[in-house]
Amino acid sequence: GAGVSQSPSNKVTEKGKDVELRCDPISGHTALYWYRQSLGQGLEFLIYFQGNSAPDKSGLPSDRFSAERTGGSVSTLTIQRTQQEDSAVYLCASSLFPSLGEQYFGPGTRLTVT
Amino acid sequence: GQQLNQSPQSMFIQEGEDVSMNCTSSSIFNTWLWYKQEPGEGPVLLIALYKAGELTSNGRLTAQFGITRKDSFLNISASIPSDVGIYFCAGHNTDKLIFGTGTRLQVFP
Repeated sequence: GAGVSQSPSNKVTEKGKDVELRCDPISGHTALYWYRQSLGQGLEFLIYFQGNSAPDKSGLPSDRFSAERTGGSVSTLTIQRTQQEDSAVYLCASSLFPSLGEQYFGPGTRLTVT
Repeated sequence: GQQLNQSPQSMFIQEGEDVSMNCTSSSIFNTWLWYKQEPGEGPVLLIALYKAGELTSNGRLTAQFGITRKDSFLNISASIPSDVGIYFCAGHNTDKLIFGTGTRLQVFP
C-alpha cells in the first residue's frame, strides 16, 4: 500500500515568511510524528499526535512552530516568521502501534530559508 | 534534544567486508530500532528489537538488543555497494523515538 507522503518535497522561502508543510500518513495509522533533521545530523523530535488525545508538543523549538492534524489523518506543520536556522529537512512518520516504536517515515520536505 | 551515542561516525569499506556499528545510551529502552537513510529519502526501518538479549536477522543484517537495555549493535555481512547510506539507531520508551547520531557507510567496489 501507499507509504507516508509529504508535500512539497522542496520549499524555498524568504526570511520572515510563513510556511506550511503537509503530511499524509499511512492509512489506518493512528499515530503521527514530525521530526527535524539538520544537515548531516540526526533526527530531532518536534510533535506527536495519537488519536484524539492532546498532541505532545514538547519538542517544538519555539512558539513560531505549530501543527495540527485534521480528521485523524492529514497533518500540517506551520512555521511562522521563518528564520535561517529553520532551514532543515522536516520528516513526518506514522505508526500503527506507537507503543511498540515502529515508525514509518515519509521522504521529507527540504526547507531553505534565504 | 537528547541523542544516543552511535559509533563509528563513518566507515569506508571494501565490497564484501563485514560491518559492525553500535549504539549506547545512559537510559534504558524498551525497544531498539535500526534505520537506513539514503540521500533525499526518509529513514527506512531495517530491524526492530523488543526484548533484552534478542538477536534478530534480516537478510545480511543482524542486530542485538543489549542485556542492559542500554545498547544495541548492527552487523552487515558481505557488504555490497547498495548498502551505502547513513544508519541510525533509535531507542523507544514512551511513544517517542530517540535517535542516534548516525553512522555513514561508504562501500567501494
